[in-house]
Amino acid sequence: SQQGEEDPQALSIQEGENATMNCSYKTSINNLQWYRQNSGRGLVHLILIRSNEREKHSGRLRVTLDTSKKSSSLLITASRAADTASYFCATGRNSGNTPLVFGKGTRLSVIA
Amino acid sequence: EADIYQTPRYLVIGTGKKITLECSQTMGHDKMYWYQQDPGMELHLIHYSYGVNSTEKGDLSSESTVSRIRTEHFPLTLESARPSHTSQYLCASSESGRSYNEQFFGPGTRLTVL
Repeated sequence: SQQGEEDPQALSIQEGENATMNCSYKTSINNLQWYRQNSGRGLVHLILIRSNEREKHSGRLRVTLDTSKKSSSLLITASRAADTASYFCATGRNSGNTPLVFGKGTRLSVIA
Repeated sequence: EADIYQTPRYLVIGTGKKITLECSQTMGHDKMYWYQQDPGMELHLIHYSYGVNSTEKGDLSSESTVSRIRTEHFPLTLESARPSHTSQYLCASSESGRSYNEQFFGPGTRLTVL
């Protein structure tokens, strides 16, 4: 079964609001990554957090990781219509010698 | 934009045809992957390769085959296409020798089998 499960499956917010997406996983990990996918396109890497890190920031993105709860969250602050996309978490195990396992994704709609 | 390319971007073919989806990357990555994704749904890993002459099956059973004769090239072949193969196919690559395998994705090939 899939390692990562995103929650919610879909999210609709107004421009300027914050968007929070959650990801849960089942086994121990080496790192957790978030990717973005615009409709009909490939995925683009957003941010990576290592298993020994608890929080990471990149521009308007904030990622947290709680290894005790096997969960992560992605916060997008001050959302824009251009943030409309699907967001996937992906988990990496051991030293990177196994492929990433992707979750089912959260579909974010930001309404102008 | 990542230096990873897929052709064709769109393909509509009839049942029973043999097709090859092309994927090339110019980043010198040893690791390459093929995913199948229905619109708006999760990604399923169907094949991956960690270097020349190395290929592995992924989590999703697939009737496709792959080859890795050159580092930069990882084509996927369907010997006899069926309507159930209609989907989007995404190719990705990542760098070896790193602990964290960030993947770079191509734009995808949307396949429709009539």
